[in-house]
Amino acid sequence: QQQVKQSPQSLIVQKGGISIINCAYENTAFDYFPWYQQFPGKGPALLIAIRPDVSEKKEGRFTISFNKSAKQFSLHIMDSQPGDSATYFCAASRQGAQKLVFGQGTRLTINP
Amino acid sequence: DAGVTQSPTHLIKTRGQQVTLRCSPKSGHDTVSWYQQALGQGPQFIFQYYEEEERQRGNFPDRFSGHQFPNYSSELNVNALLLGDSALYLCASSLKLRSSYNEQFFGPGTRLTVL
Repeated sequence: QQQVKQSPQSLIVQKGGISIINCAYENTAFDYFPWYQQFPGKGPALLIAIRPDVSEKKEGRFTISFNKSAKQFSLHIMDSQPGDSATYFCAASRQGAQKLVFGQGTRLTINP
Repeated sequence: DAGVTQSPTHLIKTRGQQVTLRCSPKSGHDTVSWYQQALGQGPQFIFQYYEEEERQRGNFPDRFSGHQFPNYSSELNVNALLLGDSALYLCASSLKLRSSYNEQFFGPGTRLTVL
């Protein structure tokens, strides 16, 4: 059973634009929602994470918006740069459980 | 401070063979989780080791087994390899705290190709 659904599969954004990636989850026991960035040939790197007690978290150009009632969360990349071109994964887990459930990934391309 | 390291980087095996992959966690971390990432997919949780014991397991057959050593490093063993086992195998380390959200740090992975 797929527990985290991610969209879109691929996304092309112009330099300076806003990139938006969405995720929806099913398991209401999830209470930790990280986003990972993965470059080709590399392992996923933690980008930003949010807990359901807040609706938004911002770190630099990256913002997570969280909607607990809709069981949805999204990643916004402001002023997107060519160096942001990578595959992005949302994930979810329960406190202390350690097991991460990943979405399918979004391949982001930023055109110069 | 070294991050998570994995070896080997790449590996080619034939069907039916056995393979062992290795992982050293980030300094200060005591928990190791293994994930399988098929091409174009998100990582899938295989299992997690803490205090040298398997603590959680994902939906993977018994052909997948592991071990954690006293220095917290870990091995992933896969027996009777199938073509479908071809994937990037990722190791993630974390510090197991009871009342915390445990950030997991991933290694670069081992690319396994089964012919």
